[in-house]
Amino acid sequence: SQQGEEDPQASSIQEGENATMNCSYKTSINNLQWYRQNSGRGLVHLILIRSNEREKHSGRLRVTLDTSKKSSSLLITASRAADTASYFCATDSTTDSWGKLQFGAGTQVVVTP
Amino acid sequence: NAGVTQTPKFQVLKTGQSMTLQCAQDMNHNSMYWYRQDPGMGLRLIYYSASEGTTDKGEVPNGYNVSRLNKREFSLRLESAAPSQTSVYFCASQRGQGANEQFFGPGTRLTVL
Repeated sequence: SQQGEEDPQASSIQEGENATMNCSYKTSINNLQWYRQNSGRGLVHLILIRSNEREKHSGRLRVTLDTSKKSSSLLITASRAADTASYFCATDSTTDSWGKLQFGAGTQVVVTP
Repeated sequence: NAGVTQTPKFQVLKTGQSMTLQCAQDMNHNSMYWYRQDPGMGLRLIYYSASEGTTDKGEVPNGYNVSRLNKREFSLRLESAAPSQTSVYFCASQRGQGANEQFFGPGTRLTVL
């Protein structure tokens, strides 16, 4: 079973709009990470938020974490065509003593000019 | 720095054939991972190596073996390929266990007929 589950599964937005995607998870975590995957490429790390943090910013990215609801959201402001990609959340669970990441199925975002 | 490199990029096998997927990283990372990615699913961990000289099973290890040849290289072997192993395989590395980000290779697209 998937630890992280993103929604929506896919979205299409216009350039300049904000893109929001959500991630829910099942177990307690040490941290949650977001990755981007362009078509046919490997994943690229975007941002990490620790379990004791509630919000984090990096450039046009804003991540929130609500550990009571076991959920996170990723907001990309002022989206560009180059933001077209799949976005994955990954959790580092406290129930795994080694700290392996578990990935969700991803949200596919298409930004049209 | 090349980061994480994988060979080959594409491979077609017949059922029962064997092959080895190669992965190397030049970032002096301790930990390395092999994932598979199937349509509509996130990445699933096959095997990982927390440090040179150690390997452990992940979520879906059946039908695979790994070798951590040295700190740089981590190979994945399919002894007798099956159509269910048709997938995209990603290698990743991480500085150490815990909260650090993972760096991914470009992937190997494998088809088993």
